[in-house]
Amino acid sequence: DTEVTQTPKHLVMGMTNKKSLKCEQHMGHRAMYWYKQKAKKPPELMFVYSYEKLSINESVPSRFSPECPNSSLLNLHLHALQPEDSALYLCASSRGGTSTGELFFGEGSRLTVL
Amino acid sequence: GQNIDQPTEMTATEGAIVQINCTYQTSGFNGLFWYQQHAGEAPTFLSYNVLDGLEEKGRFSSFLSRSKGYSYLLLKELQMKDSASYLCAVRDWNSSASKIIFGSGTRLSIRP
Repeated sequence: DTEVTQTPKHLVMGMTNKKSLKCEQHMGHRAMYWYKQKAKKPPELMFVYSYEKLSINESVPSRFSPECPNSSLLNLHLHALQPEDSALYLCASSRGGTSTGELFFGEGSRLTVL
Repeated sequence: GQNIDQPTEMTATEGAIVQINCTYQTSGFNGLFWYQQHAGEAPTFLSYNVLDGLEEKGRFSSFLSRSKGYSYLLLKELQMKDSASYLCAVRDWNSSASKIIFGSGTRLSIRP
């Protein structure tokens, strides 16, 4: 199994809603990542988890809250988002912690904030 | 911090060869990646260089010079399906963690 699975694929939410994005991998990878990508822009790193611990937060606003319940799962909790947060949110994983291997990406969750 | 530069757009002809350059500056270099991304899809891994030299994988090759902070991706025998964005990404390591940072990407268009 070489897949990273993200749900939902599409999400529309209002600025007062609370929602969550989910990511799952069964490759035994120990590092997981959240990236945000706007149209015609490169992926921007948001968070990195290494061995289920948050190791990098790229000064992301607190309305985005990551969670790593176990080594296979990564969540991104969303609350009080702004329209400019509309983007493709990509989850990725890599093996052996953050210093080895390439990133395997999920297909992304496309978020629209109204 | 990190700085990664690559051309914004390139055009090439089907069957030809194209080279996409990437220059980078980073304090804790620990590897360079090339990814391909078709519109509306997730990035897919193409190549990885951590030592100087050329890595070849089928129609795709990637070169790295750490002393020059320079890499290129070479695509041979171009096909229409190679029309995509090509992202250069650098792993930057500090004392506590490493992260992979992407350049702005090069949009490659292949004409018949």
